[in-house]
Amino acid sequence: GNSVTQMEGPVTLSEEAFLTINCTYTATGYPSLFWYVQYPGEGLQLLLKATKADDKGSNKGFEATYRKETTSFHLEKGSVQVSDSAVYFCALRIIYNQGGKLIFGQGTELSVKP
Amino acid sequence: NAGVTQTPKFQVLKTGQSMTLQCAQDMNHEYMSWYRQDPGMGLRLIHYSVGAGITDQGEVPNGYNVSRSTTEDFPLRLLSAAPSQTSVYFCASSYGPPLAGDTDTQYFGPGTRLTVL
Repeated sequence: GNSVTQMEGPVTLSEEAFLTINCTYTATGYPSLFWYVQYPGEGLQLLLKATKADDKGSNKGFEATYRKETTSFHLEKGSVQVSDSAVYFCALRIIYNQGGKLIFGQGTELSVKP
Repeated sequence: NAGVTQTPKFQVLKTGQSMTLQCAQDMNHEYMSWYRQDPGMGLRLIHYSVGAGITDQGEVPNGYNVSRSTTEDFPLRLLSAAPSQTSVYFCASSYGPPLAGDTDTQYFGPGTRLTVL
């Protein structure tokens, strides 16, 4: 079936450290891939996306590359800030009935200390 | 724009009680959906709607009802609450269904934290 697996959290980093949050997926066909971020007390927001193999999504200093050969979509940022503290969700989109649906990973909590 | 709003933010129910979680959006989005978020399981789709008057089941619909009488509102009803429905519930909307293109970016509400005793 279709599924998304993320590295477990919480992840605690110091400000300006390098961030990697691993995400791997299982899906039939070629799904689109997403990273969503959830700041404390808020709903999920789209952070970045990639719709085909080798695409790189980027936003706010975050990047992720769609790797078909390793079925991965790891999230990276070169220098994290305290304001990046949030829960990050990897998701894939599949065809479903009249449209599509998102399948989410379990989320990875990131805490950045000053 | 207020975006996607949800009420209440927190709710405690006793087993067997009923309640309605409210969701509204002011972006004129056709597609709306309800998810539940449980520890270690990510978000799972409960019900969705592709427009006013049209709803369909997601992957975990049992115990929940929905209706879509207007474009703006998409309430989720629990007819007889059970402890297994303790969760955080998110409503989301997008211009089109999450299929392809730029119209499918989903906007999420802040969530409702529900506890069923």
